Amino acid sequence: GESVGLHLPTLSVQEGDNSIINCAYSNSASDYFIWYKQESGKGPQFIIDIRSNMDKRQGQRVTVLLNKTVKHLSLQIAATQPGDSAVYFCAENTDYKLSFGAGTTVTVRA
Amino acid sequence: NAGVTQTPKFQVLKTGQSMTLQCAQDMNHNSMYWYRQDPGMGLRLIYYSASEGTTDKGEVPNGYNVSRLNKREFSLRLESAAPSQTSVYFCASSEQGAMGEQFFGPGTRLTVL
Repeated sequence: GESVGLHLPTLSVQEGDNSIINCAYSNSASDYFIWYKQESGKGPQFIIDIRSNMDKRQGQRVTVLLNKTVKHLSLQIAATQPGDSAVYFCAENTDYKLSFGAGTTVTVRA
Repeated sequence: NAGVTQTPKFQVLKTGQSMTLQCAQDMNHNSMYWYRQDPGMGLRLIYYSASEGTTDKGEVPNGYNVSRLNKREFSLRLESAAPSQTSVYFCASSEQGAMGEQFFGPGTRLTVL
């Protein structure tokens, strides 16, 4: 069936480097995408979202890129900090509901 | 503002017992959701309420019931708990549907023995 998924379950990055987290989706009708961050023992927190009529959206230290041709979504984090260590989920809007991928665990090395 | 609150934070049940998870939001949001999260997996939607007075099934509704008590509160009930329902349960709310940020509560960690 159609699903949202992430390419890699784990990512280790040096503090200060840029991080790129990837997500593939299969529902071509999805019109809205969102990234969440989940720290250990907490609920997910919103990072950034993007609608399907856009290719790129920037926030504070984060950028989301959407490639509808290959159904690919990515989250870029600039100058990764220890506080960025968490699990990152992408989600897509399908039939008025969000469908979440399995998540990528990001570990920041000092 | 407290945002989204959930009670209890932790719960241990025996197989066959029942319980209700409570959720409340103080952001005047129209839509509310219940998700479960199993180890190493993303969130799966159990039930949602697009607006006060309506509820709909999500991806994994079997074994659960919900009540949208009023605009603020959305409860999840397990009538006869099973070990397969051991999970972390998250409640969320949004201003209007899935096209926008959902705000999540801190979660309820449920173990069914």
